[in-house]
Amino acid sequence: RKEVEQDPGPFNVPEGATVAFNCTYSNSASQSFFWYRQDCRKEPKLLMSVYSSGNEDGRFTAQLNRASQYISLLIRDSKLSDSATYLCVVTHSNYQLIWGAGTKLIIKP
Amino acid sequence: EAGVTQFPSHSVIEKGQTVTLRCDPISGHDNLYWYRRVMGKEIKFLLHFVKESKQDESGMPNNRFLAERTGGTYSTLKVQPAELEDSGVYFCASSQGTPTYNEQFFGPGTRLTVL
Repeated sequence: RKEVEQDPGPFNVPEGATVAFNCTYSNSASQSFFWYRQDCRKEPKLLMSVYSSGNEDGRFTAQLNRASQYISLLIRDSKLSDSATYLCVVTHSNYQLIWGAGTKLIIKP
Repeated sequence: EAGVTQFPSHSVIEKGQTVTLRCDPISGHDNLYWYRRVMGKEIKFLLHFVKESKQDESGMPNNRFLAERTGGTYSTLKVQPAELEDSGVYFCASSQGTPTYNEQFFGPGTRLTVL
């Protein structure tokens, strides 16, 4: 079983819609949680960190549920430029990033 | 400020040959990481340097892979001899110092194809 699980998609969503991704992790000792975005043939870039209290950055909202070992990302009012692969990432006590395989999002006009 | 750079961007070699990948981290970043994404799989950690010292090399697949960071600046990752399953994208990342976690900034990657 993979340590970080994501639905690979693709999610085909019309522009302006709201879309949500989920991710589960298996190691209860995981300490930090992130969403990264990766465009085709590019490097991954940090989208946002995820906290238990939930955090929001513009149209993006991330939430962590430690009890269920579940992380979510909500994108409101989706734009064509949001099309990308979204990667769920966790760390333990060291600095290794442990990656999910990613969820592909396609925003259609 | 210059980001993380990697060279080459692409490399095509034959099985059994040697390839050396280079990473130049962001200036002043003590932490340097190597990751790899094999086709169809998730990105996986290879190793972590703090300055010139290997902090964690638990992700290195086997002894055909050798990473160095002489002088604590740039790093090289050598694969010798390369096998077909080594094909993939090799990413380097860097971050500022310890002890708390700091954002890792990624380079554009080196796409390695072993024929």
